[in-house]
Amino acid sequence: TAGITQAPTSQILAAGRSMTLRCTQDMRHNAMYWYRQDLGLGLRLIHYSNTAGTTGKGEVPDGYSVSRANTDDFPLTLASAVPSQTSVYFCASSEGPETYGYTFGSGTRLTVV
Amino acid sequence: GQNIDQPTEMTATEGAIVQINCTYQTSGFNGLFWYQQHAGEAPTFLSYNVLDGLEEKGRFSSFLSRSKGYSYLLLKELQMKDSASYLCATMDSNYQLIWGAGTKLIIKP
Repeated sequence: TAGITQAPTSQILAAGRSMTLRCTQDMRHNAMYWYRQDLGLGLRLIHYSNTAGTTGKGEVPDGYSVSRANTDDFPLTLASAVPSQTSVYFCASSEGPETYGYTFGSGTRLTVV
Repeated sequence: GQNIDQPTEMTATEGAIVQINCTYQTSGFNGLFWYQQHAGEAPTFLSYNVLDGLEEKGRFSSFLSRSKGYSYLLLKELQMKDSASYLCATMDSNYQLIWGAGTKLIIKP
């Protein structure tokens, strides 16, 4: 089934440790996004990539980094996790930044203790 | 500043009609989106409005008034499976989506 695959589904991580959340899409979409979703708040954009080889900072980029070496993959790295990074992380993609109908992955539930 | 407001929670009865409102203030406007998100799942696309008026898609309709910074999602013939959160989002001048916190819709038999 075409779409976005995120891994892992959930993770408990010790504070200070690093971790990479994986995101792969098979729709050949140009634009990809990382969001975090916290209770009572809307989805907040962490980083985005309008096309392979480029990335940009979203609303809440601090403590996170991304890379976009090819069209399909868009990993999100936490260099040194802190408890405030406990959240549900969603990866999404679209045909281009100006198009609608984002497709979301199933999410990664991360708990930093 | 950029801001999107929608009610936190609404309750409706199976078979009835419910309207979920969304007001917005954003820097630039390139359309308004509604997404549905069931608990523990990813958001899924419902509708997109960029011009004023009503867009109908089966049991769901979405309305936009750009001059008032206002939209609503209308759900008819409610079914239990419509219990979910409904997310309003606008696309700003940089083609970034700005999201509301979502409206949790509870359907009672």
